[in-house]
Amino acid sequence: GQQLNQSPQSMFIQEGEDVSMNCTSSSIFNTWLWYKQDPGEGPVLLIALYKAGELTSNGRLTAQFGITRKDSFLNISASIPSDVGIYFCAGHASGGSYIPTFGRGTSLIVHP
Amino acid sequence: DGGITQSPKYLFRKEGQNVTLSCEQNLNHDAMYWYRQDPGQGLRLIYYSQIVNDFQKGDIAEGYSVSREKKESFPLTVTSAQKNPTAFYLCASRGKLSYNSPLHFGNGTRLTVT
Repeated sequence: GQQLNQSPQSMFIQEGEDVSMNCTSSSIFNTWLWYKQDPGEGPVLLIALYKAGELTSNGRLTAQFGITRKDSFLNISASIPSDVGIYFCAGHASGGSYIPTFGRGTSLIVHP
Repeated sequence: DGGITQSPKYLFRKEGQNVTLSCEQNLNHDAMYWYRQDPGQGLRLIYYSQIVNDFQKGDIAEGYSVSREKKESFPLTVTSAQKNPTAFYLCASRGKLSYNSPLHFGNGTRLTVT
């Protein structure tokens, strides 16, 4: 099946710093999705990307669909304590089923 | 408000007992999914259903069973055959079977089996 490598696995940063995380796949993707999971809750969709090269922002969050269609990144600017959580990338491979493949998540901890 | 409701939030069971986790959605979504989450493992697909009265096994279906008798409901039974059932279980749904329709998740049920 498709492989999604998400990195880094965890990040410990100071409040106010910018954050960057990325996902790479072994095959071409049609869609990239970024979710955030607060502790003890379900993942919530942050950004959805549907075209290669697409750059989309949601407040302090910015995500891009890589031109090769095999990668995506998520940036968070000026981090705040409530950014703490696990960030998941997910996507649909070209020609694959409608079941998304999920990365293993990036755990973000923000120190005040 | 439309959404996905999972209940209960926390569930405790003795080893050897079957247990059923509830998932209800009022989003009029066709497809529903069950995922298992363990620390550091991401989300692993257990079962999914694209239409009422039909469901398919995911990557880790052994020891689990589901039913889809109504569009709104997709309960998951964790049977005594599941060797390591303690985990966080997430239910999700989506409106259309297309690449443009992302999954929406419930808030999860944490199952502890001792």
